[in-house]
Amino acid sequence: QSALTQPRSVSGSPGQSVTISCTGTSSDVGTYNYVSWYRQHPGKAPKLMIYDVSQRPSGVPDRFSGSKSGNTASLTISGLQAEDEADYYCCSYAGSYTFVFGGGTKLTVL
Amino acid sequence: EVQLVQSGTEVKKPGESLKISCQGSEYRFTSYWIGWVRQMPGKGLEWMGIIYPGDSDTRYSPSFQGQVTISGDKSISTAYLQWSSLKASDTAMYYCARLRSSGYYPDAFDIWGQGTMVIVSS
Repeated sequence: QSALTQPRSVSGSPGQSVTISCTGTSSDVGTYNYVSWYRQHPGKAPKLMIYDVSQRPSGVPDRFSGSKSGNTASLTISGLQAEDEADYYCCSYAGSYTFVFGGGTKLTVL
Repeated sequence: EVQLVQSGTEVKKPGESLKISCQGSEYRFTSYWIGWVRQMPGKGLEWMGIIYPGDSDTRYSPSFQGQVTISGDKSISTAYLQWSSLKASDTAMYYCARLRSSGYYPDAFDIWGQGTMVIVSS
């Protein structure tokens, strides 16, 4: 059960859009539509931003969107704001009630 | 407000045992899986395992099977993570998180505890 692959870092200017990829295998991302995304600010607990590939929990701005194609899921953040600067993690259900996280991506707002 | 409240920072020596806790409130504790997630200093999130408090069904990541024990006490809405013999490499922040479900399977961690820092040092 290997970690999902995410880019180490991405960056964008305020108002721009950025996309973070999350690549798994046919045993996790490719089979199940249970990909979720989390934002973690330094020293804080993670916060759920997207679940079931593209669903937003109540209170999460519609600037955050998710998608999936094959073994790769993506998180897109549009209209970047300073508060979006954080670490982002993807997570996928991997069958038999097991889960796997991605390595995390540091988003820098320039 | 639905929340998970974790026990406080622990400082232990190698070889000692430890049990940390995660208490849920304002929701039906027995109806949601609870997961444990490790975050080593400066590193990413790692899924350790989950427990269903309703019947204590427990699943572990292969990486943590045999290294830790996950348990629960539904009478006090509390889940536990324990070690029988700590190592320096267990130094990390440990989060508990509630698993939501859209249907048959649990699918995302929607409520997180504040984290418990465990420091293992001689």
